[in-house]
Amino acid sequence: SQTIHQWPATLVQPVGSPLSLECTVEGTSNPNLYWYRQAAGRGLQLLFYSVGIGQISSEVPQNLSASRPQDRQFILSSKKLLLSDSGFYLCAWRGVSGNTIYFGEGSWLTVV
Amino acid sequence: SQKIEQNSEALNIQEGKTATLTCNYTNYSPAYLQWYRQDPGRGPVFLLLIRENEKEKRKERLKVTFDTTLKQSLFHITASQPADSATYLCALDTGANNLFFGTGTRLTVIP
Repeated sequence: SQTIHQWPATLVQPVGSPLSLECTVEGTSNPNLYWYRQAAGRGLQLLFYSVGIGQISSEVPQNLSASRPQDRQFILSSKKLLLSDSGFYLCAWRGVSGNTIYFGEGSWLTVV
Repeated sequence: SQKIEQNSEALNIQEGKTATLTCNYTNYSPAYLQWYRQDPGRGPVFLLLIRENEKEKRKERLKVTFDTTLKQSLFHITASQPADSATYLCALDTGANNLFFGTGTRLTVIP
């Protein structure tokens, strides 16, 4: 069966520091991969999606970037965090022929 | 761009009653509409999917309707239980690569 792992689960970072959130999927090949952010009391905002290695589409221009160095690995990064980057970050995957999106457990980021 | 509205931020109902949540969207009709459940501090979990050519879909105590004329989906939980308390998200699937989510309705079932 397929599983998705996301880490770290929680982190507190100072303003201006870098960020790296990692996500890996097991049990499937060539998935579509997604990064969403959910601010407190807000909906899920699609940040990036990827349909293949090295292919990244950005939905919202901002302080973040994403990379897909391997088929089942998706990384969310920032060189310098802003206070507004705080939130709940969710990685997700979908099979090429599927409709359902499967989410990881999320990463809580607090920028102080 | 696509806009998705879920009727209320919070909904409280008595145990045993039917909860009805609404999802309205603007612009073009999605190929699919999906409903997810999200518990506090967790990632959303898929519940049901309904296609644009389907009027209704059921799964146990859950029922989803899809009206492309009204651009609306209704999500029903019958015989609600306290364990149904969670935030419910609707999501529009254009059939491309993106899935756009509403802000969710926080349902509380009161014993």
